[in-house]
Amino acid sequence: SQQGEEDPQALSIQEGENATMNCSYKTSINNLQWYRQNSGRGLVHLILIRSNEREKHSGRLRVTLDTSKKSSSLLITASRAADTASYFCATDERHQGGSEKLVFGKGTKLTVNP
Amino acid sequence: DSGVTQTPKHLITATGQRVTLRCSPRSGDLSVYWYQQSLDQGLQFLIQYYNGEERAKGNILERFSAQQFPDLHSELNLSSLELGDSALYFCASSTSGTTLYEQYFGPGTRLTVT
Repeated sequence: SQQGEEDPQALSIQEGENATMNCSYKTSINNLQWYRQNSGRGLVHLILIRSNEREKHSGRLRVTLDTSKKSSSLLITASRAADTASYFCATDERHQGGSEKLVFGKGTKLTVNP
Repeated sequence: DSGVTQTPKHLITATGQRVTLRCSPRSGDLSVYWYQQSLDQGLQFLIQYYNGEERAKGNILERFSAQQFPDLHSELNLSSLELGDSALYFCASSTSGTTLYEQYFGPGTRLTVT
């Protein structure tokens, strides 16, 4: 099952511009996480925002969460060529018996042109 | 470097064969997660172990199995391999057994089934 869905699927910008990616999800969550993946490599955790938080910052990253709209956005300011990667949102999904898992969207592929 | 190690990096094998992927979590992490990433399915959660016991199960095929050993390293066994099993397999670790915290991903094992 797919919980989070990123939008757009692909984004191409110039160095120095801001990049905004959106994530929508379907069911209630405890938290939402954003990860980055450089081509063919492991995912790197960027930021975690809990359901009772509305905004969180980490360096050039700003994440917002709107639980009423079941959506989140990731803003990367003053982008650099090194930010070129795929960005995934992940939400927690609970199952019967209390087990939980992270469900990842299909990602936004960001290209930052020098 | 996330501190999570995976071996081997690449694996090429034939249909019908069996392979074992190995993962060592970050020092101190008790949870190990296995994911499969393919172009068409995206990143799919397979299974989680916490301190040696299975904690959560995702879209794991019956031909696949995993275990976590007393030293906390984990192995993912894939048998009766099919062409469609070709994918990147990631292991991730976390301090907690829940989805309330970030996961740290290894570099992955690229499996090619010919």
